[in-house]
Amino acid sequence: KAGVTQTPRYLIKTRGQQVTLSCSPISGHRSVSWYQQTPGQGLQFLFEYFSETQRNKGNFPGRFSGRQFSNSRSEMNVSTLELGDSALYLCASSLSGTAAYEQYFGPGTRLTVT
Amino acid sequence: GESVGLHLPTLSVQEGDNSIINCAYSNSASDYFIWYKQESGKGPQFIIDIRSNMDKRQGQRVTVLLNKTVKHLSLQIAATQPGDSAVYFCAEGGEKGQNFVFGPGTRLSVLP
Repeated sequence: KAGVTQTPRYLIKTRGQQVTLSCSPISGHRSVSWYQQTPGQGLQFLFEYFSETQRNKGNFPGRFSGRQFSNSRSEMNVSTLELGDSALYLCASSLSGTAAYEQYFGPGTRLTVT
Repeated sequence: GESVGLHLPTLSVQEGDNSIINCAYSNSASDYFIWYKQESGKGPQFIIDIRSNMDKRQGQRVTVLLNKTVKHLSLQIAATQPGDSAVYFCAEGGEKGQNFVFGPGTRLSVLP
């Protein structure tokens, strides 16, 4: 079974631009969660989507948004990029999303904002 | 691969020795704890979990100890191997995985 895939793997953007990241979950998984990982803050939860609906949300500004499609693929968008948005963005998929141990993480997208 | 954390605390151990990685968690109400392993260029991988009604749980070559009195969690890896080199971090949250908070991580370096 193929794992969670994320595209692109690396991205360089300029401050003020916007960016869209993509995540394809494991086949059959309906929950997709997004995380931001930085050296200073560690791994922080952004939001979770289940059956095309945002079910949980972390404490991030409205510049961070996401959506999920009917095939469970998910996209995350960051508008008006700031230098502090440079991070590794991880997505994780699970069947139901209710148990953290069920989550399978993708390799991440490394975003660099200059 | 990507560097997970450039300034993480590092634990260096000789191949074959046992490793102990520690984690102090913050919320005394947390019911559920997980240890993750993250290798360079990869996402976190579940290693072992423990619920708050337990103080010890063993897996294959790994043991997690939970001390709720001092809010401390540890991961013991027996007979550490080069493939164990990675960043390890703990996560705490509700029993059903809600409101999870992740620790900063410790880099384990296995010396030949």
